[in-house]
Amino acid sequence: EPEVTQTPSHQVTQMGQEVILRCVPISNHLYFYWYRQILGQKVEFLVSFYNNEISEKSEIFDDQFSVERPDGSNFTLKIRSTKLEDSAMYFCASSGRGNQPQHFGDGTRLSIL
Amino acid sequence: DQQVKQNSPSLSVQEGRISILNCDYTNSMFDYFLWYKKYPAEGPTFLISISSIKDKNEDGRFTVFLNKSAKHLSLHIVPSQPGDSAVYFCAASGTDSWGKLQFGAGTQVVVTP
Repeated sequence: EPEVTQTPSHQVTQMGQEVILRCVPISNHLYFYWYRQILGQKVEFLVSFYNNEISEKSEIFDDQFSVERPDGSNFTLKIRSTKLEDSAMYFCASSGRGNQPQHFGDGTRLSIL
Repeated sequence: DQQVKQNSPSLSVQEGRISILNCDYTNSMFDYFLWYKKYPAEGPTFLISISSIKDKNEDGRFTVFLNKSAKHLSLHIVPSQPGDSAVYFCAASGTDSWGKLQFGAGTQVVVTP
């Protein structure tokens, strides 16, 4: 069964550094998403992406964050100048159409020191 | 943000019996609802969904019921199996924001032999 893959599984970064989280969505999907889950809290929406542009973003997704689809297969989340509170599990998801179920990867655990 | 609530943090059920998980929502714009299952160190796995034009959707052992007037949905798992032990998340999206899933806090289900 097709799946969303995320790399790395765990990223440790010094505060203030830039980090790029990578995702390979399901190949025929057109809609892409990032979510995060801070330890002990709910899964939170960050951003949705379609047709090479952001469709919607949450208030969490400020200028520190950016997304990109650099080629036909990858979808990346970049966090500039990381902060301690960026430590969380980051999940990538994709869907075939906007109103179809989103399928999630296994996440990247980001630890900011 | 308490738009989607799962008020039971945990549920213990005997193997072979029915598991009933509940979810309440407050946003009347929500029209699409999903249930996800999550094992430790994995991403959420899509189980079943329902749109607001229906009040029931069934897929194998899983049935989701939607009561729009009460803003309540439930997931029934019959019969429960040991492999069903996981955290179950309710999620919802609306016509004004279809790609943005709002998640509940999750219910930890333990199926005992």
